[in-house]
Amino acid sequence: NAGVTQTPKFQVLKTGQSMTLQCAQDMNHNSMYWYRQDPGMGLRLIYYSASEGTTDKGEVPNGYNVSRLNKREFSLRLESAAPSQTSVYFCASSDTDNTEAFFGQGTRLTVV
Amino acid sequence: TQLLEQSPQFLSIQEGENLTVYCNSSSVFSSLQWYRQEPGEGPVLLVTVVTGGEVKKLKRLTFQFGDARKDSSLHITAAQPGDTGLYLCAGAGSGTYKYIFGTGTRLKVLA
Repeated sequence: NAGVTQTPKFQVLKTGQSMTLQCAQDMNHNSMYWYRQDPGMGLRLIYYSASEGTTDKGEVPNGYNVSRLNKREFSLRLESAAPSQTSVYFCASSDTDNTEAFFGQGTRLTVV
Repeated sequence: TQLLEQSPQFLSIQEGENLTVYCNSSSVFSSLQWYRQEPGEGPVLLVTVVTGGEVKKLKRLTFQFGDARKDSSLHITAAQPGDTGLYLCAGAGSGTYKYIFGTGTRLKVLA
């Protein structure tokens, strides 16, 4: 049982480049989330999708876009990467809101 | 914006010692979760508390939700090196459906 799978695990980008972080879950969960984790700041919600076909902004959405491709997949796109987006990105899913969130292993992104 | 402050930020203790980690906010939460995260991994849920004053135990870990549902604590008895990790609290506000995470407490238990 894979749970939540994120790709890639590591990525280095140059300022201004674009990329998409992929996330897929095999638990038939309705809700999916993207977080970023920075030292001393815990996890901050970027975007979330309460159900297939819906997306909403979280605490720190600027510079990011998301797509809920289907029930399984939720991607995060950086259109023009900036050094401030250097972080570890986590995708998570949950059956419904306010229930246990299952996290992927994270993507460590460095923007130089 | 709801904020969750955790204290202490860092804690290094010897095996066998007891410790308490705190999670505080000025906001009321409908429920609160505690997660543990190990290096290179995503957070894993330890417990969810939903009722003010609720106490839950998970082996040597005791979790308490404050009576006013604004704060929570995690107490570990006789800590072991396997308890090492980043402990995160996460609260869900009333009427919202996304958790806000605390700043984290990084625990290191020395053998």
